[in-house]
Amino acid sequence: EAGVAQSPRYKIIEKRQSVAFWCNPISGHATLYWYQQILGQGPKLLIQFQNNGVVDDSQLPKDRFSAERLKGVDSTLKIQPAKLEDSAVYLCASSLGTSNQPQHFGDGTRLSIL
Amino acid sequence: GENVEQHPSTLSVQEGDSAVIKCTYSDSASNYFPWYKQELGKRPQLIIDIRSNVGEKKDQRIAVTLNKTAKHFSLHITETQPEDSAVYFCAASMGGTSYGKLTFGQGTILTVHP
Repeated sequence: EAGVAQSPRYKIIEKRQSVAFWCNPISGHATLYWYQQILGQGPKLLIQFQNNGVVDDSQLPKDRFSAERLKGVDSTLKIQPAKLEDSAVYLCASSLGTSNQPQHFGDGTRLSIL
Repeated sequence: GENVEQHPSTLSVQEGDSAVIKCTYSDSASNYFPWYKQELGKRPQLIIDIRSNVGEKKDQRIAVTLNKTAKHFSLHITETQPEDSAVYFCAASMGGTSYGKLTFGQGTILTVHP
């Protein structure tokens, strides 16, 4: 079974620039999550999709972050404009459903803001 | 919202010894508790999980115990090996009521010395 795919693996940008990350979940997984993992901390949920609808975006900084999951499969996460504190690893995860189903993570995108 | 505290932040053991990592959670509605292992620069990998209707679960050298009354759960690794060295994260979820949202602990850096 193919795992969660993410790209790019690494991205370096200057502050105030924009950046986008892409995620392809495990086939058949209805639920998709984007997490932010700052160095030395546990992942923090940014946004969660059930199929193509948002079920939780309470911790997403909506003034600069946006995400979409068109057609309920792939998803993109965008940051515009980026701030220095956005430097982190952005992890995508997917699960079959929302009721205590195991979440499987991708390798993440390491974002560095200069 | 849910809050998960994890201890210790670092743990150093000799090969063959046991390692124990403890987590406490704040919301008694939490009912799903996974543990993830994350090697440097890699994705978090699910190693074991437990649901609130079970007090203990074991998988070879790894076991997890749950005390719902005290709201804490622990990861036990026996006969540790150098390849067990990694960062371990606990997490908690309220399942359907929170759409499966995971709240992670801060992580424990486990080092197993040969």
